[in-house]
Amino acid sequence: AQSVTQLGSHVSVSEGALVLLRCNYSSSVPPYLFWYVQYPNQGLQLLLKYTSAATLVKGINGFEAEFKKSETSFHLTKPSAHMSDAAEYFCAVSEGRGSTLGRLYFGRGTQLTVWP
Amino acid sequence: NAGVMQNPRHLVRRRGQEARLRCSPMKGHSHVYWYRQLPEEGLKFMVYLQKENIIDESGMPKERFSAEFPKEGPSILRIQQVVRGDSAAYFCASSPRDVVKLFFGSGTQLSVL
Repeated sequence: AQSVTQLGSHVSVSEGALVLLRCNYSSSVPPYLFWYVQYPNQGLQLLLKYTSAATLVKGINGFEAEFKKSETSFHLTKPSAHMSDAAEYFCAVSEGRGSTLGRLYFGRGTQLTVWP
Repeated sequence: NAGVMQNPRHLVRRRGQEARLRCSPMKGHSHVYWYRQLPEEGLKFMVYLQKENIIDESGMPKERFSAEFPKEGPSILRIQQVVRGDSAAYFCASSPRDVVKLFFGSGTQLSVL
């Protein structure tokens, strides 16, 4: 069974500071991992995904995430926060194969606040 | 190329009424997924459909909920005899064949009075 835990439902940083959003997963098979961002009153937008290639994945808007199998983690980082990064971020896992290809298991989300 | 289109954006129903949520996938996408987002929770998978076929409905409540994706027209998520606990944001996503990348719509916020 797949599951995702996001540590910290709220994270606050100052503009220009490092952003670190934590995600741990459990999976019975090699997983596909995703980070999505949700702005108010909008759908989810894919930031980046890991599909068993390079363990360090670069996404849009300067975000990146590192897959660490030994720690079952897929933390999201950005070196310097912008005000426009304020949103809710969701980590998700999928078995990524067959009929379960698009069945994602989401974490509860982390609300990122960026202070000027 | 328009994204995933969901309508209505907001839907208000009284207890016992029916709710019909519509989703038009991106052009060229043959796979549709429905997810539900309850307050303070992440999205939870409900159902996966291809044209005229339900592939995986393991996340659907056993009663009152149904989904379809006809040969022509949008996918429909139907909730009969709604209850207050059905109040949530319902998101539709689509993907091309055999690609693990979902494109999400803006959702339908269902409020049950």
